[in-house]
Amino acid sequence: DAGITQSPRHKVTETGTPVTLRCHQTENHRYMYWYRQDPGHGLRLIHYSYGVKDTDKGEVSDGYSVSRSKTEDFLLTLESATSSQTSVYFCAISGPTGPIAGALSSYEQYFGPGTRLTVT
Amino acid sequence: GESVGLHLPTLSVQEGDNSIINCAYSNSASDYFIWYKQESGKGPQFIIDIRSNMDKRQGQRVTVLLNKTVKHLSLQIAATQPGDSAVYFCAEGNYGQNFVFGPGTRLSVLP
Repeated sequence: DAGITQSPRHKVTETGTPVTLRCHQTENHRYMYWYRQDPGHGLRLIHYSYGVKDTDKGEVSDGYSVSRSKTEDFLLTLESATSSQTSVYFCAISGPTGPIAGALSSYEQYFGPGTRLTVT
Repeated sequence: GESVGLHLPTLSVQEGDNSIINCAYSNSASDYFIWYKQESGKGPQFIIDIRSNMDKRQGQRVTVLLNKTVKHLSLQIAATQPGDSAVYFCAEGNYGQNFVFGPGTRLSVLP
């Protein structure tokens, strides 16, 4: 998974509780992304970051916040989890450090293994 | 592991046959396209990409075709193997901007 780890890998939490998911990379890539994946939908972008302390909203950002205080870590926080936030969450990285073998561009994204979050 | 989806279109092919997976994209201004493979319990993995100024690109056992006139992308897998069983989805975007991902197609390889 190209030097990307996500923690935890699985979590069950109750409605109304705060939850933080962590994405950690060892690739020194500049750009980091949080997506959620749900049945019947493609990956949907929650938030992204173009560098330390430089973050922006994606298409489904309501109910989520992020922080990036170091290049290698990108945190996704659900301030008060709801059942609609039950999903699989993926972190991705990309950046102008050179494309992977066979790719035309360095904007190709590498994905982490995912976190399954269940809100009961 | 993490399930990708229960309601995806499924393509079933016999081992050794060729597979063709299709994707309709939405933005005529997109200039970069990627195909990803996602195995059960794993994150998506890059397969092959193509720019809008190309209509075909070949990799190892895979070929991507781009038809900009009808905004259609296809992935051809030659001599499909059991290890090719996965969900495949396309992504469209522009350099330096965020990608939009399709919902995916499940490929099932029959012995």
